[in-house]
Amino acid sequence: QVQLQESGPGLVKPSETLSLTCVVSGYSISSGYFWGWIRQPPGKGLEWIGSSYHSASPYYNPSLRSRVTISVDTSKNQFSLNLRSVSAADTAFYYCVASPGGGGYLYYFDYWGQGTLVSVSS
Amino acid sequence: QSALTQPASVSGSPGQSITISCTGTSSDVGTYDLVSWYQQHPGKAPKLMIYEVSKWPSGVSNRFSGSKSGNTASLTISGLQAEDEADYYCCSYAGYSTFVVFGGGTKLTVL
Repeated sequence: QVQLQESGPGLVKPSETLSLTCVVSGYSISSGYFWGWIRQPPGKGLEWIGSSYHSASPYYNPSLRSRVTISVDTSKNQFSLNLRSVSAADTAFYYCVASPGGGGYLYYFDYWGQGTLVSVSS
Repeated sequence: QSALTQPASVSGSPGQSITISCTGTSSDVGTYDLVSWYQQHPGKAPKLMIYEVSKWPSGVSNRFSGSKSGNTASLTISGLQAEDEADYYCCSYAGYSTFVVFGGGTKLTVL
């Protein structure tokens, strides 16, 4: 059973970089899933940020691609999100997720972390 | 504005059936059988309810069913129960560039 747990600062200043980590337990991060991030502004809908396989180039939301990096650390069985030059519009709950995929496809998101709220404010 | 269009709200009485629609385009829902549905209770993470249009993940009740016709996917919940009251989101693969799009979400109220 895959379990995901996000961690990182709950408050980030405008123009700085939002950095989150997701620890994977119960499953080897090298074994076949794509690892990604989805966010949800308070009271609003879901937005996919991006997903990455441990040994392939990540897939990113085109609207965020210029500011996002997702990386997978197989030695620590965790993956991370860096979102640069944040503004108040990036305030949201951030969920780490696991999804089957491959060959340019992402199929669905079957494992989710509990989510962490990140606020952008000075 | 979300890429997929869902009704903002639907409601039904216990025991009834309801259907939530999810309208996309020929670039997403209409081309790929990779539509999924998620249930989200307040303060909780979303939960996968249907994947690949009509398949059930392990542990999900078969009161939930999915279908697709053209550019529109649908989620039907039969035998409504109080615990079904939640927000529901549809999601579709949208090709090798956009990858994933979500609907804006539908709030289900069980009367």
